[in-house]
Amino acid sequence: QSVLTQPPSVSAAAGQKVTISCSGSSSNIGNNYVSWYQQLPGTAPKLLIYDNNKRPSGIPDRFSGSKSGTSATLGITGLQTGDEADYYCGTWDSSLSAYVFGTGTKVTVL
Amino acid sequence: EVQLVQSGAEVKKPGESLKISCKSSGYSFTTYWIAWVRQMPGKGLEWMGIIFPGDSDTRYSPSFQGQVTISADKSISTAYLQWSSLKASDTAMYFCAHVGVSSYGMDVWGQGTPVTVSS
Repeated sequence: QSVLTQPPSVSAAAGQKVTISCSGSSSNIGNNYVSWYQQLPGTAPKLLIYDNNKRPSGIPDRFSGSKSGTSATLGITGLQTGDEADYYCGTWDSSLSAYVFGTGTKVTVL
Repeated sequence: EVQLVQSGAEVKKPGESLKISCKSSGYSFTTYWIAWVRQMPGKGLEWMGIIFPGDSDTRYSPSFQGQVTISADKSISTAYLQWSSLKASDTAMYFCAHVGVSSYGMDVWGQGTPVTVSS
């Protein structure tokens, strides 16, 4: 079972905003940088956010990340049908000496 | 441009061995970690382990230690994931990824290799 907890699903109408939480502990989120990944159906994951709140080149500013204590949040504004995907948080866990992913959140555009 | 190209789909029987590959290009292969990630059908992402091709330093997730072997061949910029005796529960999609951001985050991913283990 994953040590990072995410809600199984979130949904909103097109054009609206959603936020996805990622809850961990001091051994992972609390002392390491968080990344977020988007996995469109049938494709490989893609890096959306790194270092808690930075966007790789080519990722629109509709996607944002933040971190506070042992939790992180991904925000998506101006929701589009093309944003329907699974989203995962991830970070290093110093106690496990392993990278850990969140449980994953499915985003649905109503 | 960093690119990772994985080997093709595999169908194997329980007990057989398997080695899948991940060929890297567009960067210095020996100076970045490469990770392997499993995704079982309909499930989430699981980090299996990483290798630093420069010196073959390898780290495994406790869940996968002893179950698989990660290796790399610097001469052809290729990383490998192998099993000595497959089980039906190894049926999954396997991704390799370039570890290019902080805290071992993965910035570029291979396309995935589906592995099916069935008698």
